Amino acid sequence: AQSVTQPDIHITVSEGASLELRCNYSYGATPYLFWYVQSPGQGLQLLLKYFSGDTLVQGIKGFEAEFKRSQSSFNLRKPSVHWSDAAEYFCAVGAGGGGNKLTFGTGTQLKVEL
Amino acid sequence: NAGVTQTPKFRVLKTGQSMTLLCAQDMNHEYMYWYRQDPGMGLRLIHYSVGEGTTAKGEVPDGYNVSRLKKQNFLLGLESAAPSQTSVYFCASRAVADTQYFGPGTRLTVL
Repeated sequence: AQSVTQPDIHITVSEGASLELRCNYSYGATPYLFWYVQSPGQGLQLLLKYFSGDTLVQGIKGFEAEFKRSQSSFNLRKPSVHWSDAAEYFCAVGAGGGGNKLTFGTGTQLKVEL
Repeated sequence: NAGVTQTPKFRVLKTGQSMTLLCAQDMNHEYMYWYRQDPGMGLRLIHYSVGEGTTAKGEVPDGYNVSRLKKQNFLLGLESAAPSQTSVYFCASRAVADTQYFGPGTRLTVL
């Protein structure tokens, strides 16, 4: 069975600083990988996804993530954080055809200091 | 185009009561999912459907039933609610070889 680990429960960064959120996965085949963001009281919004091809994927809101098969990682990065990026971020791995079922990590809560 | 909608947004139940949560999507998606979200545990899959008339169990199916009588609707039922089912419930849908799109959630409290 697949699993996802997000080792950082909370992260605080200053506005304008760079950001990296860690995600490690366990899956026996080629994974489908996703990052979602959730603002308080809201549903989940897709930031980016990796299905195949280029291991560096670009997403919305200036986010990017790099798939590293050797490290079983899919870390999320942003070069300069904005106060509006404060939210909870979830990494997920998809199993089955086209990532049919998603297994989520426990999330990382991002706080942005002004 | 409303995307994925969920009804109701909030609900308070007493232990033993029953209720049905409705998820509707207007994107003609084949696949639909029900998740629950609990603090510190991320989202966990309850049940899912790969097409009209089909359903399957996810990671945490006990205490829940589902039905997919129409392609656009996916219902989640609690026959006898328990306090352990207090949670935020999210529905999602997707097309073949695409990503999942989530609804806004239903906050359920069982007293």
